[in-house]
Amino acid sequence: SYVLTQPPSVSVAPGQTARITCGGDNFGSKSVHWYQQKPGQAPVLVVYDDSDRPSGIPERFFGSNSGNTATLTISRVEAGDEADYYCQVWDSSSDLVVFGGGTKLTVL
Amino acid sequence: EVQLLESGGGLVQPGGSLRLSCVASGFTFSSYGMNWVRQAPGKGLEWVSLISSSGDKTFYGDSVKGRFTISRDDSKSTVFLQMNSLRAEDTAVYYCTKLLWASRTFDYWGQGILVTVSS
Repeated sequence: SYVLTQPPSVSVAPGQTARITCGGDNFGSKSVHWYQQKPGQAPVLVVYDDSDRPSGIPERFFGSNSGNTATLTISRVEAGDEADYYCQVWDSSSDLVVFGGGTKLTVL
Repeated sequence: EVQLLESGGGLVQPGGSLRLSCVASGFTFSSYGMNWVRQAPGKGLEWVSLISSSGDKTFYGDSVKGRFTISRDDSKSTVFLQMNSLRAEDTAVYYCTKLLWASRTFDYWGQGILVTVSS
């Protein structure tokens, strides 16, 4: 089955840039989506189709997809960005939806 | 404003059944696919099942295939998840989501409902 690999944790100081990666095979043929989940809350879509942002999501959140790695970049990190972040794709060959294991972003 | 409200969770014994419901509002329900995602305590997100806008296409994750059934009632703007032969490992918060079909994106999420499978 298709596997998405994320680092378990990323730490960054306020005001710096955080980069969260998501690895998978043949990413070029798939659209990658990113969700933010704060403690005790439901996930929220922050980037879809590799690099699009839903309305209301700050421009500080930027997605990219190149080769076998997708990256969620959060610039000018704030304390409120501390959360778990999950990448997700649809594997059309098997018609299965796959989530990465999640990355805990800690703001130092 | 899109709202998704889950109900039907609770405590059930192993081998038992439970039916979750999710009432949607704020969008034209019949035009969108719907979806369930779950999260075991302290764990990551796991996709469970999705259904097309017309209801004729359904898909399931490997861990629930053959035990869970997704369905919808457009007259009530409601999507259901019938869960049979429940196991301890099905214990999780279950989230209902609105689905963008083309890319299988989950653009809106409910607050989730807890299902506990235990004797």
